Amino acid sequence: AQKVTQAQTEISVVEKEDVTLDCVYETRDTTYYLFWYKQPPSGELVFLIRRNSFDEQNEISGRYSWNFQKSTSSFNFTITASQVVDSAVYFCAPVYDTGNQFYFGTGTSLTVIP
Amino acid sequence: KAGVTQTPRYLIKTRGQQVTLSCSPISGHRSVSWYQQTPGQGLQFLFEYFSETQRNKGNFPGRFSGRQFSNSRSEMNVSTLELGDSALYLCASSLEGRGPTGELFFGEGSRLTVL
Repeated sequence: AQKVTQAQTEISVVEKEDVTLDCVYETRDTTYYLFWYKQPPSGELVFLIRRNSFDEQNEISGRYSWNFQKSTSSFNFTITASQVVDSAVYFCAPVYDTGNQFYFGTGTSLTVIP
Repeated sequence: KAGVTQTPRYLIKTRGQQVTLSCSPISGHRSVSWYQQTPGQGLQFLFEYFSETQRNKGNFPGRFSGRQFSNSRSEMNVSTLELGDSALYLCASSLEGRGPTGELFFGEGSRLTVL
């Protein structure tokens, strides 16, 4: 079965600290896509990044960076110099080539303390 | 460009009633997906519609149904409501709904409370 695990349920950090959110997925597919979404208190999920299974290059976007390691089936997300506005629930979501369904993890609730 | 619009934002129903939720996708998007979010189960896929056809369906009972209109707007219906149906129902649209191009754009959701 396709599955995704976000082992960290809640994380609290002090502003300006770095924080890494873990995501481990399971699949037998060779082609798949990995997404991260952010859900602020308003409820709307906001797209952060999409990565396909053939591209293992790490990516950096401002204070955000992603580390994709196919060998360990992980797609971790790091926020550098965290800010209070980063407080939200973050979801990792694989999409497998065999279907259109997003498999969301249980989410990691991040609280950044000023 | 207007985002995904869901109505109503909040509603309260009693057990046994039925409810209809509406979703207007981003203009030009042909795929609409629905997700249920609860504290216990997280985000679970309900179904996906593309060009008025249900293309994919999650593991929910037949009480949950949906449809898509020719203008891509979608509705989902839950009949014979149960307490466990209390949740945030999220609608998402995308151009085609496939993984490679399938970035989902979400609405703010409809929060349903069943008493």
